[in-house]
Amino acid sequence: QSALTQPPSASGSPGESATISCTGTSSDIGGYNYVSWYQQHPGKAPKLMIYEVTKRPSGVPDRFSGSKSGNRASLTVSGLQAEDEADYYCFSYTDSNNLVFGGGTKLTVL
Amino acid sequence: VQLVQSGGGVVQTGRSLRLSCAASGFTFSNYAMHWVRQTPGKGLEWVALISFDGGNKYYADSVKGRFTVSRDNSKNTVFLQMNSLRPDDTALYYCASGAGVAAALPYWGQGALVTVSS
Repeated sequence: QSALTQPPSASGSPGESATISCTGTSSDIGGYNYVSWYQQHPGKAPKLMIYEVTKRPSGVPDRFSGSKSGNRASLTVSGLQAEDEADYYCFSYTDSNNLVFGGGTKLTVL
Repeated sequence: VQLVQSGGGVVQTGRSLRLSCAASGFTFSNYAMHWVRQTPGKGLEWVALISFDGGNKYYADSVKGRFTVSRDNSKNTVFLQMNSLRPDDTALYYCASGAGVAAALPYWGQGALVTVSS
């Protein structure tokens, strides 16, 4: 159950876009369309932003989008706003009914 | 929707602790329930999962054989029994709900801090 690989940091200026990658294997990201993304502000519980690779829960701005290619998933935040500054985690279902998070990426809005 | 956690605290190495998570605002018996932990200043780690009816339980390798997840659908509550605790189990523990075993987690508790002292 190795953690999915995310870059430790990402950044962008207000109004620009930022993309966070999440790399796994054929046993997790590559094998299933059960990738989700969570936003976490300091001292708060994680918040679901994307589920099943590309779907947005009600209330999540359409500035947030998800995609997947092979063993790599990505979260793109367009039109960056100050409140988007947070930690982001990917999460995937894996073989044998296990689940695994990525190591997390700190997104900084410059 | 609310998930209200209780049961955190400070415990010595080797001892046990039980966390509870009481749900309201949704049909608890239709949802799988997860436990996720976060070491202070670090990332999230999936810990355990129990299916909607309690018939299936899955654990991370790091807790397998020491932690047990259970649920009482009549009381809308899920539990995490933690035995043989170690200092590296020190973390903020969250309960979270999902529509199925592989589903995402839209609802989260407030977290319960568990500190294991050596």
